[in-house]
Amino acid sequence: GDSVTQTKGPVTLSEGTSLTVNCSYETKQYPTLFWYVQYPGEGPQLLFKVPKANEKGSNRGFEATYDKGTTSFHLQKASVQESDSAVYYCVLGGNTGANTGKLTFGHGTILRVHP
Amino acid sequence: DPKIIQKPKYLVAVTGSEKILICEQYLGHNAMYWYRQSAKKPLEFMFSYSYQKLMDNQTASSRFQPQSSKKNHLDLQITALKPDDSATYFCASSQEGGDTEVFFGKGTRLTVV
Repeated sequence: GDSVTQTKGPVTLSEGTSLTVNCSYETKQYPTLFWYVQYPGEGPQLLFKVPKANEKGSNRGFEATYDKGTTSFHLQKASVQESDSAVYYCVLGGNTGANTGKLTFGHGTILRVHP
Repeated sequence: DPKIIQKPKYLVAVTGSEKILICEQYLGHNAMYWYRQSAKKPLEFMFSYSYQKLMDNQTASSRFQPQSSKKNHLDLQITALKPDDSATYFCASSQEGGDTEVFFGKGTRLTVV
C-alpha cells in the first residue's frame, strides 16, 4: 500500500535559520502530493499541493518539488519564524483527477522555532 | 467561523459503551470523510462519503458506522468501545473530483476508560 516517511522530529530551530523536512513516499499510483500543517487544537490545513511530477509548490515561504525519480517531496524554507512552530505532514493523495479524499499522512514533524 | 463543526470537542466513554460523534459542514462540499489520529499512528483515513453514499471504507471493524442523515452531515457511531479506540477523530470534507483541498474540522478527542 501507499506510505510516507518523513523527518522524525522534533526539529528545533532559531528564528531566521533554514528548514528542511525530508519526505519520501511509496505508491504504485500517480499521486498528488501535499504538505499539511497542524496547529495545537486545530485540524490539519493545507499548506500547498503539487499534482504533477517535476513541479514545485509553495506558500508562505515554504516550498517543495515533486521528484518522481527519487520519490521525494522535501519541504524547505529559507528563514523560519516563531509563528511557523507547528506539526508538518507530508501527504500522499489519490490519482490526479480522481480525488477520493483518501489521504495518506506521514507521521508528522514537530517544528519548534525559538526567538 | 468554523466551517466544519464537530461535537463534542472532548468525550470520555466507558469500555463497552456506544457513542456518536457529530459532524456538520457548511462549505457546500459533496464529499465528507472521517480520519483518526492516535498517539501511536499517523492520521488514518477511515471512510469517505459522496452524496451520502459510502465510497471507501478503510476501517477493519464494523463497530465504526458512519451515518449521513443530510448531505452536509456525517456522524460516526462507535459501538462496544475499547481503550484502543482512544484517539482524536477528525471530520473532513471536499468537493469531489480533481485534486481539491480537503478541509478538516477541529476534531473530537475520545478517551475510553
